[in-house]
Amino acid sequence: GQQLNQSPQSMFIQEGEDVSMNCTSSSIFNTWLWYKQDPGEGPVLLIALYKAGELTSNGRLTAQFGITRKDSFLNISASIPSDVGIYFCAGDAGGTSYGKLTFGQGTILTVHP
Amino acid sequence: GAVVSQHPSRVICKSGTSVKIECRSLDFQATTMFWYRQFPKQSLMLMATSNEGSKATYEQGVEKDKFLINHASLTLSTLTVTSAHPEDSSFYICSASPLQGLPLHFGNGTRLTVT
Repeated sequence: GQQLNQSPQSMFIQEGEDVSMNCTSSSIFNTWLWYKQDPGEGPVLLIALYKAGELTSNGRLTAQFGITRKDSFLNISASIPSDVGIYFCAGDAGGTSYGKLTFGQGTILTVHP
Repeated sequence: GAVVSQHPSRVICKSGTSVKIECRSLDFQATTMFWYRQFPKQSLMLMATSNEGSKATYEQGVEKDKFLINHASLTLSTLTVTSAHPEDSSFYICSASPLQGLPLHFGNGTRLTVT
């Protein structure tokens, strides 16, 4: 089955620093999604990417859908303490697999004030 | 924005009993909902696809007789964990989309602990 490799597994940064994380896949996806999960809660959608090469921003967050459709990255600029959490990438292969997301392993982000 | 609600948020049950988890789309209709499971410090794994008016489809390795899914209306899907065992303890999360496409929005999850 499809697998997503997300890196890094964890990051410890100072407030104000920029953050970058990425996901790579062994096969192509039609859609890439980035979610943030706080402890004990469900994932919250950050950014959705629908087209290869697409670059999308949401406030301090920027994500790109790789041109090969096998990778995506998420950047967070000027991090703040509330950015702490676990970030997941997820891919959707589309077609009959619509909605059956494959998730990366997650990146645990810690921001020191 | 699209809101997906789950109930209960936490449940503790004894081994051998059954537990029902509800997933509701609050401001939209969803013919399809998805159930995921997340073990501690792990990622989300898709368990099954819940289809309104028809049988659920299960991912490989997920026992359909153990995880009963009922999608009785366009706003409600239920997951029943039957004869629960400690190894079923996990975080169960449902998702749905108002557009019957992407992106998916997730509920707040249900923490199941089987003692």
